[in-house]
Amino acid sequence: NAGVTQTPKFQVLKTGQSMTLQCAQDMNHNSMYWYRQDPGMGLRLIYYSASEGTTDKGEVPNGYNVSRLNKREFSLRLESAAPSQTSVYFCASSESRGPNNEQFFGPGTRLTVL
Amino acid sequence: ILNVEQSPQSLHVQEGDSTNFTCSFPSSNFYALHWYRWETAKSPEALFVMTLNGDEKKKGRISATLNTKEGYSYLYIKGSQPEDSATYLCAFWSSIDYKLSFGAGTTVTVRA
Repeated sequence: NAGVTQTPKFQVLKTGQSMTLQCAQDMNHNSMYWYRQDPGMGLRLIYYSASEGTTDKGEVPNGYNVSRLNKREFSLRLESAAPSQTSVYFCASSESRGPNNEQFFGPGTRLTVL
Repeated sequence: ILNVEQSPQSLHVQEGDSTNFTCSFPSSNFYALHWYRWETAKSPEALFVMTLNGDEKKKGRISATLNTKEGYSYLYIKGSQPEDSATYLCAFWSSIDYKLSFGAGTTVTVRA
């Protein structure tokens, strides 16, 4: 099992460009999440999908959109990238959305917006 | 936004020595406390999920305790080894916003 996979691993964008970060999990998990990691800060939740067909905003959703394509895949889209979106993005999944469920993380995407 | 504080931000420990560090969280509206280990160039991996006051969990040389009444958890590493070098993240699940709030982590460097 690959666990949680993310593509791409690295990306450089110019301000105003758009891109989609892809995430897939093969653990048959119901819930999936997108986080961003910035220096000196904890992981911050951008969006989550508690189950297939649902998505909800997290702590820092502005400038992002998401799609839960199917149970396996959850994508994050930046419509018009800004330098403030330079960050490391992690996708995660869990069996269900609840306090007792550990989250499994992908390898991350390092995004730089110039 | 719920504040989860971890201290110290970083520490260095000699191989073979033991160490511990702290995660502080709001004591009210507690649901669960998670610990993750994040090694350089890898993904964060879960160590423990703790839900009950007084919980103690152990995995090899790493253990954790939980005090929900005063809002803190300790992570202990006994007999540190170079492979223990990593950033340790704690995350608090609250009944207020029903999501994980992560601390900034404690980065442990074990010197041979």
